[in-house]
Amino acid sequence: DGGITQSPKYLFRKEGQNVTLSCEQNLNHDAMYWYRQDPGQGLRLIYYSQIVNDFQKGDIAEGYSVSREKKESFPLTVTSAQKNPTAFYLCASTDRGRPGNTEAFFGQGTRLTVV
Amino acid sequence: GEDVEQSLFLSVREGDSSVINCTYTDSSSTYLYWYKQEPGAGLQLLTYIFSNMDMKQDQRLTVLLNKKDKHLSLRIADTQTGDSAIYFCAERRTSGSARQLTFGSGTQLTVLP
Repeated sequence: DGGITQSPKYLFRKEGQNVTLSCEQNLNHDAMYWYRQDPGQGLRLIYYSQIVNDFQKGDIAEGYSVSREKKESFPLTVTSAQKNPTAFYLCASTDRGRPGNTEAFFGQGTRLTVV
Repeated sequence: GEDVEQSLFLSVREGDSSVINCTYTDSSSTYLYWYKQEPGAGLQLLTYIFSNMDMKQDQRLTVLLNKKDKHLSLRIADTQTGDSAIYFCAERRTSGSARQLTFGSGTQLTVLP
């Protein structure tokens, strides 16, 4: 079955550490996204990528970095520069090349906690 | 303010209808979506409506779109305890960029027995 897989489901980070969240999709989608979800604030866009080897900052990119070396993979690194990283992180993808409706498919999320 | 707004909480009795409301600001929006998020999980698409439609019905779900007022609603008939979740409204704009979806803050629906 096609879908998006995020790992790990739970992640704990010590102060000053970088951590990387994995996102893999086998939907053959061109575009991939990372969102951060905090209670009562909905989803905020961190980074997005329309094609391999290209990515753009979203609304809250500071303290995060991404790479898009393969179409299937879009890992997110939460760096020590991110002052408040504890949140629920969601990865999504869309079939950018398809006309009409472009539904976003989501992974199951990674809950990151700073300890 | 946010581009897409929703109230944060809604409680209904099991068997009653639920109506979740959403307002958006971008008149160029082409598609509007309702997503459901269960605790600790990702978002699942429930339904969507194209901007030239006024209403769409899908089993227990009815979506109403008032484009003049930029108001979208989701009605769930015969609400069940399994419908308890966060519901997100989202709009897709015509910019053509990959920043296609703008989400509301989500409405936490609680279904009381």
